[in-house]
Amino acid sequence: GAGVSQTPSNKVTEKGKYVELRCDPISGHTALYWYRQSLGQGPEFLIYFQGTGAADDSGLPNDRFFAVRPEGSVSTLKIQRTERGDSAVYLCASSLDLWNTGELFFGEGSRLTVL
Amino acid sequence: GENVEQHPSTLSVQEGDSAVIKCTYSDSASNYFPWYKQELGKGPQLIIDIRSNVGEKKDQRIAVTLNKTAKHFSLHITETQPEDSAVYFCAASNNNAGNMLTFGGGTRLMVKP
Repeated sequence: GAGVSQTPSNKVTEKGKYVELRCDPISGHTALYWYRQSLGQGPEFLIYFQGTGAADDSGLPNDRFFAVRPEGSVSTLKIQRTERGDSAVYLCASSLDLWNTGELFFGEGSRLTVL
Repeated sequence: GENVEQHPSTLSVQEGDSAVIKCTYSDSASNYFPWYKQELGKGPQLIIDIRSNVGEKKDQRIAVTLNKTAKHFSLHITETQPEDSAVYFCAASNNNAGNMLTFGGGTRLMVKP
C-alpha cells in the first residue's frame, strides 16, 4: 500500500489477556518505529527496528511488551497480561532509513482498550 | 534523555489570524526538529521540519524558526483557515543516534470561522 498500515484499528480486551498489534510499513522503508499515545498526550517512543533487529528498545515499559520484525518488513507488537494502564493508541511509523531524510511516516494507529 | 516542552496546550484564533506554537528542548545533540499535525482519529502527519544547520524554513503559510543557543523552536501559521484546526506536535531527535523522536505534549489549535 501507499502508506503505513496498522491492524486492528480498534481492539478491546480484558485485563490479563494477550494482544498482538500489526504494522505493515511503507515498501522499501528499512526503519520501523513503535510509539504509544495516551489521551491528550504526545506519542512516546517504545522501540525501533533497523531491518530485522531491534536497534533500541529502551522505551518498552516492562517485559510484558515485546516486538518482532522477522523479515525486515511487517512488525508485530505483543503485549502479555494486559493491564488497564496499557490502554492507549499504539502508533507505528516507518522511515526510508535511519540516516536519510529523517522523516517518519505514521500509520493511523491501533486503539487498545483494556477493560 | 531528551525532554521537549510545548506551549500553549490550546490556542484559539480567528480565521485569517496568525498562530504561533513554541517548543523548547533539552538535549544539545538534537539536530532534527519536525512538526506534525494530527487530526482526530488519524496518525500524525509531517507538515514541516528543520535541521540544526538552518535558522528558518518556510513553506507557503507555514514557517519554523530554530534558536540553537536557546534550544527553542517555533511554528508559525499565517492566514489561518478552519481546516488548520487540529492538534500540532513538535518533536526533536538526533539523526546520528537512531532518529527516535521525542514529542512535545501537543497544542490543540482551533480556528474560528
